[in-house]
Amino acid sequence: KNEVEQSPQNLTAQEGEFITINCSYSVGISALHWLQQHPGGGIVSLFMLSSGKKKHGRLIATINIQEKHSSLHITASHPRDSAVYICAVRGGGADGLTFGKGTHLIIQP
Amino acid sequence: DTEVTQTPKHLVMGMTNKKSLKCEQHMGHRAMYWYKQKAKKPPELMFVYSYEKLSINESVPSRFSPECPNSSLLNLHLHALQPEDSALYLCASSQDWRRELFFGEGSRLTVL
Repeated sequence: KNEVEQSPQNLTAQEGEFITINCSYSVGISALHWLQQHPGGGIVSLFMLSSGKKKHGRLIATINIQEKHSSLHITASHPRDSAVYICAVRGGGADGLTFGKGTHLIIQP
Repeated sequence: DTEVTQTPKHLVMGMTNKKSLKCEQHMGHRAMYWYKQKAKKPPELMFVYSYEKLSINESVPSRFSPECPNSSLLNLHLHALQPEDSALYLCASSQDWRRELFFGEGSRLTVL
């Protein structure tokens, strides 16, 4: 079974700061997902990666398959970015995702 | 339409009740999932349906009974639940198991 570790678990930053959230996993994967969840709410898929780098607005996600590591970056952070960010990986079969424990991000004005 | 719609948003039930959670998507996705999420914990996979057939059951107690009546609908039938089953139940869908998942807003269940 894949072990997914995220760091940090909690992060508080000031508006405008550059944010990095890290994810590492133990076993080879077919894809890695970055997800966002607001308090009490559903989950929004931000990125699905199998290699390289993706960018969407102020969000950038990278993955290094050899090192089994991915990062999510937020540029020019804003209070509306406050949420839990979850890394999840998919193995090679028709199964669901294995989730990390999430990073609770708070951006203060 | 890129939505996964879950109903009801909130449900309170007694331990002897029978109720159902419903999930609907009209994106033509052929894989649908039920996840359970306790407070401040990551989601846990319960069931996976692929092409309307149950492909994964993660050792979920029989008081939870999934049903996929057609390619757009996924139900979770609940019977004789326990208070520890109180949680957020999330539905998700994807085009197939290799593709991006789309999640619903969840159904928050409270068992009294």
